[in-house]
Amino acid sequence: QQPVQSPQAVILREGEDAVINCSSSKALYSVHWYRQKHGEAPVFLMILLKGGEQKGHEKISASFNEKKQQSSLYLTASQLSYSGTYFCGTEINNNAGNMLTFGGGTRLMVKP
Amino acid sequence: DAGVIQSPRHEVTEMGQEVTLRCKPISGHNSLFWYRQTMMRGLELLIYFNNNVPIDDSGMPEDRFSAKMPNASFSTLKIQPSEPRDSAVYFCASARDRGGYTFGSGTRLTVV
Repeated sequence: QQPVQSPQAVILREGEDAVINCSSSKALYSVHWYRQKHGEAPVFLMILLKGGEQKGHEKISASFNEKKQQSSLYLTASQLSYSGTYFCGTEINNNAGNMLTFGGGTRLMVKP
Repeated sequence: DAGVIQSPRHEVTEMGQEVTLRCKPISGHNSLFWYRQTMMRGLELLIYFNNNVPIDDSGMPEDRFSAKMPNASFSTLKIQPSEPRDSAVYFCASARDRGGYTFGSGTRLTVV
């Protein structure tokens, strides 16, 4: 079952912060985050494994609450280059390997 | 590394024709995935290979779709016969163990 992302779209001014949420109805082994710019392929940002960890990549960080089956992506002091569609991909907690089911995406637009 | 290489980049074909999409994963990656992306349905997993063996093909829409991975450096996705509703961007992605995915540039398929 597809994870649910919210919000569906966000418009920011440069320097503002945003939070994108990803929620699953199933127990998760890991959550991935990707960014896709228009006309391009999705690009891997980070992976979070079960254990409630938080990771960061410059001014983009994420958390994973295994018990709530939720992950959040935090974008601080946004830059124009952050514009794009953000997808979470969830791997359920089984032995079937690392297949990801992607959410519907959150479209982020950063304006000057 | 050249990344995941897909061909062709664009394909326009007539309904009823056979279409073959090709993918070369990153050397050393043992997982390969075929995804389809449309505005209506988002990113859908079609099939997942691990060590060249198909693990899950439950996402393949119907018998018109087939995929092969004859060796670690090559995979094909074939549609026969093609229909207009197959029009989409098809992505191939590879990963090492349970790591992040690297996506190819995609094949934009238009069936008229």
